[in-house]
Amino acid sequence: QAVVTQEPSLTVSPGGTVTLTCGSSTGAVTSSHRSNWFQQKPGQAPRRLIYDTNNKHSWTPARFSGSLLGGKAALTLSGAQPDDEAEYYCLLLYRGPWVFGGGTRLTVL
Amino acid sequence: EEQLVESGGNLVQPGGSLRLSCAASGFTFTDDWMYWVRQAPGKGLEWVANINQGGDEKYYADSVKGRFTISRDNARKSLYLQMNSLRAEDTAVYYCTREHNLWGQGTLVTVSS
Repeated sequence: QAVVTQEPSLTVSPGGTVTLTCGSSTGAVTSSHRSNWFQQKPGQAPRRLIYDTNNKHSWTPARFSGSLLGGKAALTLSGAQPDDEAEYYCLLLYRGPWVFGGGTRLTVL
Repeated sequence: EEQLVESGGNLVQPGGSLRLSCAASGFTFTDDWMYWVRQAPGKGLEWVANINQGGDEKYYADSVKGRFTISRDNARKSLYLQMNSLRAEDTAVYYCTREHNLWGQGTLVTVSS
């Protein structure tokens, strides 16, 4: 089964911009992987922010955006707020099964 | 209100079996693929299995293939996960999710002697 890789941890200043990435052991991430991004805070179920690479839900703050960047899926946070401190997971589709990345611990400091 | 409620989690011995259930309400259950995702204590999310609307297309993570079976009963608006030959590494909170955009609160499975 494929391995999906994310940065283990990142730090962003309040008001700053940060990009989280999601790579695949099978090669470049494309739109066919239908990348999803989730935010999870301690003691809570995950909440999806982005689906199908760059689509947002009604609850997704406008400061989050999804894209493909350099062969990876990417989640960009522009104008970070303290409430954005959380664990972020990407999820990729592999023609039936899906695979999560290991997660990125985002610190806003 | 759209809702998913998992049940069936428990303490079980290695090699044992357990069946998880997920009751759906507030939406048309037959419209969507359904999924199980798990999270071991202090670890990341792991995708486990999914099933299509009619129940005839299923996929599994390599870690559970041959041991776990996903199923659904559309008349009862319920999703199931039959877990056999359980191992310590299957200890986790198991979440039921609709297309990854609606999640239950999870049910804890502990595999230990």
